Amino acid sequence: EVHLLESGGGLVEPGGSLRLSCVVSGFTFNNYAMSWVRQSPGKGLEWLSGINTAGGAFYTESVKGRFTISRDNSKNTLYLQINNLRAEDTALYYCAKEAAAAGIPLLDSWGQGTLVAVSS
Amino acid sequence: EIVLTQSPGTLSLSPGERATLSCRATQGVSRNSLAWYQQKPGQAPRLLISGVSTRATGVPDRFSGSGSGTDFTLTITRLEPEDSAVYYCQQYDRLATFGQGTKVEIK
Repeated sequence: EVHLLESGGGLVEPGGSLRLSCVVSGFTFNNYAMSWVRQSPGKGLEWLSGINTAGGAFYTESVKGRFTISRDNSKNTLYLQINNLRAEDTALYYCAKEAAAAGIPLLDSWGQGTLVAVSS
Repeated sequence: EIVLTQSPGTLSLSPGERATLSCRATQGVSRNSLAWYQQKPGQAPRLLISGVSTRATGVPDRFSGSGSGTDFTLTITRLEPEDSAVYYCQQYDRLATFGQGTKVEIK
């Protein structure tokens, strides 16, 4: 069974940084691209970033320069580094497995999310 | 960026009725790269349909997708109480974007 478990969220002051992690099991991690998606309280879904099996990273325009996606295949773990946090980054952050290796963000399995709150 | 607009915002129907959800894109979505997800309260989204019309494993056949280009539809025939959820369309042709969602309420 595919399982994705996010961690690393919390309450952070504006301007701070966080590194989110997503540990996966139930599939061969290094054979699949992965994505991060967030959902602001009471709002819809926003795709943020994806990384293919070769380590190629892709970002939505609004987070370029502040967000960095990475993966450690030896640890079956996906990461999202978020710098210079803003109030509008407050959201539930999901990691999701893509359906293929190539970085086409069709998301066939999702974690339960980790909550990031940005406030002073 | 491809912007997806879903309508209606909320659909309130009775069990057994048919729900028709619309998703319109600002640009043509190539290679049938359009998916639908279902999200119930307190849960992560679940992939329902990919490639416009291919149901994911375990999705009942009362869910069907159709469309092409810029106009897409998710149809739920014979609504059941457990279909109460928010439904999102997503394009994965050029990176990824989601629609704002349609809430389906079962009376």
